[in-house]
Amino acid sequence: DQQVKQNSPSLSVQEGRISILNCDYTNSMFDYFLWYKKYPAEGPTFLISISSIKDKNEDGRFTVFLNKSAKHLSLHIVPSQPGDSAVYFCAARERDDKIIFGKGTRLHILP
Amino acid sequence: NAGVTQTPKFQVLKTGQSMTLQCAQDMNHNSMYWYRQDPGMGLRLIYYSASEGTTDKGEVPNGYNVSRLNKREFSLRLESAAPSQTSVYFCASSDRVQPQHFGDGTRLSIL
Repeated sequence: DQQVKQNSPSLSVQEGRISILNCDYTNSMFDYFLWYKKYPAEGPTFLISISSIKDKNEDGRFTVFLNKSAKHLSLHIVPSQPGDSAVYFCAARERDDKIIFGKGTRLHILP
Repeated sequence: NAGVTQTPKFQVLKTGQSMTLQCAQDMNHNSMYWYRQDPGMGLRLIYYSASEGTTDKGEVPNGYNVSRLNKREFSLRLESAAPSQTSVYFCASSDRVQPQHFGDGTRLSIL
C-alpha cells in the first residue's frame, strides 16, 4: 500500500508561469516532508522540506505547503524556468528516520 | 568533499551471478540507505541502516543482503542475480538534521 502518492506522472507548464506539484500521504506518523529533484543519470538532490508542525516553507522560487488535515502537500515553483524540467519526488520521514518516496512527477517547462 | 560515492557506475551480469554494490559517505552520517528506481515505480527502499551495526528491511528486500561495514560504508549484495533486479540502484545517507544525500547511482543490467 503506497504511503506517499504522487498521482500526476507528468506536468507541462509554460516558462514563467507557476508549477504546482501535488502529493498525498496516508501515514499520520510522518513528521517531516521533503521534495527532491532528479535529472537523468544523476542521483536525486534535496530541494526543500517542511516539518509537520508548520504549514508553509519558502525558499526563493520554491514554496511547500502542508495541509495536515487533508494529508496533502504541494510544491509551488514560481516563476518556472527551463532548468526546472526534471522529475520531482515527494518524500516523507518516519520517526525511525526511514524515508518513503512517491513515484515522482515529471515536470516539463515549455518555452 | 565527495558526499556519497557509489561503485561501480555500470554493471552487466548474467542470471545467477553474484555481485556487491559499494557505497561510502564522508559526511559522518549515522543512517544509510539503498534504493532501487524502476520506470513508473519511483524510489523503493531495499534496506536501510539507522546506525553502525544495525540493518533493517525496507519495502523490497527479497533477493538482497546488506552489510554496514563501518559508519562510512554500506554495501548491497545480490547473491544470485535475476532479470527482475535490472534497475538503477541509489545509495543515500542522512542524519536527523540533514536530508538524505544521494550518490549518482549504479545502473545494473541482468541478462
